[in-house]
Amino acid sequence: AQSVTQLDSHVSVSEGTPVLLRCNYSSSYSPSLFWYVQHPNKGLQLLLKYTSAATLVKGINGFEAEFKKSETSFHLTKPSAHMSDAAEYFCVVSDRDDKIIFGKGTRLHILP
Amino acid sequence: DTGVSQDPRHKITKRGQNVTFRCDPISEHNRLYWYRQTLGQGPEFLTYFQNEAQLEKSRLLSDRFSAERPKGSFSTLEIQRTEQGDSAMYLCASSSNAPLAGGIYEQYFGPGTRLTVT
Repeated sequence: AQSVTQLDSHVSVSEGTPVLLRCNYSSSYSPSLFWYVQHPNKGLQLLLKYTSAATLVKGINGFEAEFKKSETSFHLTKPSAHMSDAAEYFCVVSDRDDKIIFGKGTRLHILP
Repeated sequence: DTGVSQDPRHKITKRGQNVTFRCDPISEHNRLYWYRQTLGQGPEFLTYFQNEAQLEKSRLLSDRFSAERPKGSFSTLEIQRTEQGDSAMYLCASSSNAPLAGGIYEQYFGPGTRLTVT
């Protein structure tokens, strides 16, 4: 069985400071992992994906995530937050049966 | 625009009424998925089509829910005798038949239909 846990429901950072959104997963197989972003009144947008290639994955808008099998983690980071990064972020795990499981989401607040 | 589209974007209905939502996937994507997202939660899988065949249904999909994809292109999701607990965002996604490394199919999401049952 697969599952994903987003450790923080809300994260607040000041503009220009680093962002860290935490995600831990559980999967029976070697998983594929994704981060999606959801802005208000907009569809889910794929930020980045890990599919068993390089463990450090770079995505759009300066985000990146590192797959750490020993820690079963896939945390999302960005060196410097921008006001436009304020949104809901979802960590997603998928395995061989083509099901994808979403975490409950982390709402990122950017303080001016 | 060649993304996934959903119609309507918002629907308000009274309890007991039937509603139908439509999803148009990315052209030539043969996999289509429906999800439901309630407030403060991530999307939850409802059902999945490959072409016109409905291959899987979640236990969340009660017998009041029915989904179709008659010609393997657009899909409809109908909810009969709506209840207040059906209030949610209903998301549609599509993917091609070409998997990523690892055999996973990348899903592209539409903007969703927000249902409010009063």
